[in-house]
Amino acid sequence: DARVTQTPRDKVTEMGQEVTMRCQPILGHNTVFWYRQTMMQGLELLAYFRNRAPLDDSGMPKDRFSAEMPDATLATLKIQPSEPRDSAVYFCASGLGGRNEQFFGPGTRLTVL
Amino acid sequence: GENVEQHPSTLSVQEGDSAVIKCTYSDSASNYFPWYKQELGKGPQLIIDIRSNVGEKKDQRIAVTLNKTAKHFSLHITETQPEDSAVYFCAAREPAGNEKLTFGTGTRLTIIP
Repeated sequence: DARVTQTPRDKVTEMGQEVTMRCQPILGHNTVFWYRQTMMQGLELLAYFRNRAPLDDSGMPKDRFSAEMPDATLATLKIQPSEPRDSAVYFCASGLGGRNEQFFGPGTRLTVL
Repeated sequence: GENVEQHPSTLSVQEGDSAVIKCTYSDSASNYFPWYKQELGKGPQLIIDIRSNVGEKKDQRIAVTLNKTAKHFSLHITETQPEDSAVYFCAAREPAGNEKLTFGTGTRLTIIP
């Protein structure tokens, strides 16, 4: 069945290292969202894309985070350099522009030591 | 921007009883209200949603009600079962043209066998 996939599922890294998370949206979906989930802040929208173009990245710390869609089947979220406060679960979700529903992937659990 | 408050933060109910989770939102222009269920180690899963032109929607044991005047909406689960145990999130979407979902802080529902 169609679902959003994310890799890696778990990532442990040291402070200062670069981290790249990948997302494959549901085939045919043209809108991709990146969320971060922490106990303190809950689910926060970092950025989202429509037809590979960024529409809103106001939730993303610009100095160290970057999000791209190299093609319609791949979205990436990169953190460089990573910091302990970036430790969280990062979710990708996809949807079809003009429809309301967002479908979430299983998440990447990031731990920065 | 939109602000969503969710209550209670934890809820325990006896198997077979009903559970109700309530959310309020701040932006009267918000027009889409989904509910997500998140099980341990998984991404949020859309279980039901409602648009602002509808007052109530039901899907088997799950129902959602919306009061636009009071700016609140509720999730009702009847005949609860152990597999209903999870964290439930409400969300509100700002008006058309903006696909940002603002999430509530979540309710941890425990069904007592």
